[in-house]
Amino acid sequence: DIQMTQSPSTLSASVGDRVTITCRASQSFSTWLAWYQQKPGKAPKLLIYKASSLESGVPSRFSGSGSGTEFTLTISSLQPDDFATYYCQQYNSYPLTFGGGTKVEIK
Amino acid sequence: QVQLQQSGPGLVKASQTLSLTCAISGDSVSSNSAAWNWIRQSPSRGLEWLGRTYYRSKWYDDYSVSVKSRISINPDTSKNQFSLQLNSVTPEDTAVYYCARGTPDHFDYWGQGTLVTVSS
Repeated sequence: DIQMTQSPSTLSASVGDRVTITCRASQSFSTWLAWYQQKPGKAPKLLIYKASSLESGVPSRFSGSGSGTEFTLTISSLQPDDFATYYCQQYNSYPLTFGGGTKVEIK
Repeated sequence: QVQLQQSGPGLVKASQTLSLTCAISGDSVSSNSAAWNWIRQSPSRGLEWLGRTYYRSKWYDDYSVSVKSRISINPDTSKNQFSLQLNSVTPEDTAVYYCARGTPDHFDYWGQGTLVTVSS
């Protein structure tokens, strides 16, 4: 199984900050990676797929990059609605696996 | 607009079978491009993919090794829905269970989630 490790596990930031979350894979693969946002009591919401493709309707302040074993999610200017937990997910091979999550908190 | 509506009991006794259903609107369970998944989330295991069913001229399914001996995911074309059955549950199976559409391997639509508690 491919293990996905996210860092940091918690991030404190202010509105307007640039935020970067990292996801590292235990095995190298191309760009079969997705990012999700989850708010308390809700299902995850797809933000990014194929490492850098923005899902329809997702604000352009979200962007993704990377390949191989290191991937990043960047929020260019943090907005109040962005305080949430973010997860990466690899779909290079089965079983599909998720990272442990990064909680973005208000500083 | 695709919508997934989950139904099923929130409390199951240990050793019994967990059964959930996911009704699909805005797409077809027989779609040749989508896959229909069950995913669960718990504090101890995080987000865990359990399995999927999908149609590519015939029906296929894939399951996580962690539950493979106990799980069944089945389509119901007459009702445009799919179901999860997890046998011989233990308290470790307590989690929020989600159904989700895969396109085909990342998840663009999710059900609302069902908290299933396994009582001992």
